[in-house]
Amino acid sequence: DAGVIQSPRHEVTEMGQEVTLRCKPISGHNSLFWYRQTMMRGLELLIYFNNNVPIDDSGMPEDRFSAKMPNASFSTLKIQPSEPRDSAVYFCASSRSGRATYNEQFFGPGTRLTVL
Amino acid sequence: AQSVTQPDIHITVSEGASLELRCNYSYGATPYLFWYVQSPGQGLQLLLKYFSGDTLVQGIKGFEAEFKRSQSSFNLRKPSVHWSDAAEYFCAVASSNTGKLIFGQGTTLQVKP
Repeated sequence: DAGVIQSPRHEVTEMGQEVTLRCKPISGHNSLFWYRQTMMRGLELLIYFNNNVPIDDSGMPEDRFSAKMPNASFSTLKIQPSEPRDSAVYFCASSRSGRATYNEQFFGPGTRLTVL
Repeated sequence: AQSVTQPDIHITVSEGASLELRCNYSYGATPYLFWYVQSPGQGLQLLLKYFSGDTLVQGIKGFEAEFKRSQSSFNLRKPSVHWSDAAEYFCAVASSNTGKLIFGQGTTLQVKP
């Protein structure tokens, strides 16, 4: 099993540019999570999907952030326009569950985003 | 509100010494508790989890954790630390209401040769 795949692994962009992060969950998993990790705030859940439907997006910081899951094998997290304070490591995780929190979440390697 | 506290931001132990990482949680009902490990530049890997039953749970890589309801704690232990255990360790609680994993701030473990 390839595990959760994220791309790109590193992204450096300038303030105001659009950034798109991509995630491919583990095949057969029906829950997908986007997290952000920073020194100041630690690990924060941004949004999670169950069966491709967004269940809770209360962690999305503001309207500049959007996430989609068009099918069971692909999700994107988009930031438009990006700002320096968005610099962080963004993780995608997936799990096999109807009740998403009660099964192990498998994490991808993360995307390190730097906004100049 | 649910929360997780890891009181120790940074811990240094000698290789071969025992280890205990502390975790305290705040949760109204029976918690679902987890320990994850993050190696530099990597994602998080689950070490162990507690849902119910035996309060002493065994995990991978020789780790164990004990759930103590009276102390609201879920401390992680290892009898003999290896240099490869140097990493950041996260305790987390699952919220049955919101469906979220809530993480502590993490403890960075350094292992001295």
